[in-house]
Amino acid sequence: QQQVKQSPQSLIVQKGGISIINCAYENTAFDYFPWYQQFPGKGPALLIAIRPDVSEKKEGRFTISFNKSAKQFSLHIMDSQPGDSATYFCAALYGGSQGNLIFGKGTKLSVKP
Amino acid sequence: NAGVTQTPKFRVLKTGQSMTLLCAQDMNHEYMYWYRQDPGMGLRLIHYSVGEGTTAKGEVPDGYNVSRLKKQNFLLGLESAAPSQTSVYFCASSYPGGRPNSPLHFGNGTRLTVT
Repeated sequence: QQQVKQSPQSLIVQKGGISIINCAYENTAFDYFPWYQQFPGKGPALLIAIRPDVSEKKEGRFTISFNKSAKQFSLHIMDSQPGDSATYFCAALYGGSQGNLIFGKGTKLSVKP
Repeated sequence: NAGVTQTPKFRVLKTGQSMTLLCAQDMNHEYMYWYRQDPGMGLRLIHYSVGEGTTAKGEVPDGYNVSRLKKQNFLLGLESAAPSQTSVYFCASSYPGGRPNSPLHFGNGTRLTVT
């Protein structure tokens, strides 16, 4: 119930391609879904986030698609660049959880030039 | 503006030794967290604090203790280190909620090896 399942574990994309990372959850009490980006040797940092009353959110080349009925959400990176090479974590939060994000296991993205 | 600072950056311990990891934040955040990151396991919450003088257990608290004597500091202690505690430890802080206007701010981690 408290898990967030993330796939794939690793992803290799050519420069200019689209990177897609998928996450699924079961707890319908989750009401906030952020994505964090982590570069090697650094801590994760918030990339983009969405609430379940919205089906899509776009910020530059990054888009979250949210399917409430399927309890799935995904991150799309358009025109992927080598600088996007990082580990991406999806996460979920529910009200009253005192900010305790439930993280997916992460996806290591490599964008080849 | 330093954000979240973790010390030390690297440490090697022998089994049974003890150590304390220090996390300091200068953003006046109420909430602070300790996570561990292991390959293929993602980020797992060890302990967290919602204010000075308060602490609570997360998903994987066994073998660790914490203290929050000052608002800006959150200490993680290992009383008797075990090889299973070899990991990268991240501290994070936020305003209450972890919500859109209060994301988690992470430090750059402490890489701990227990031999």
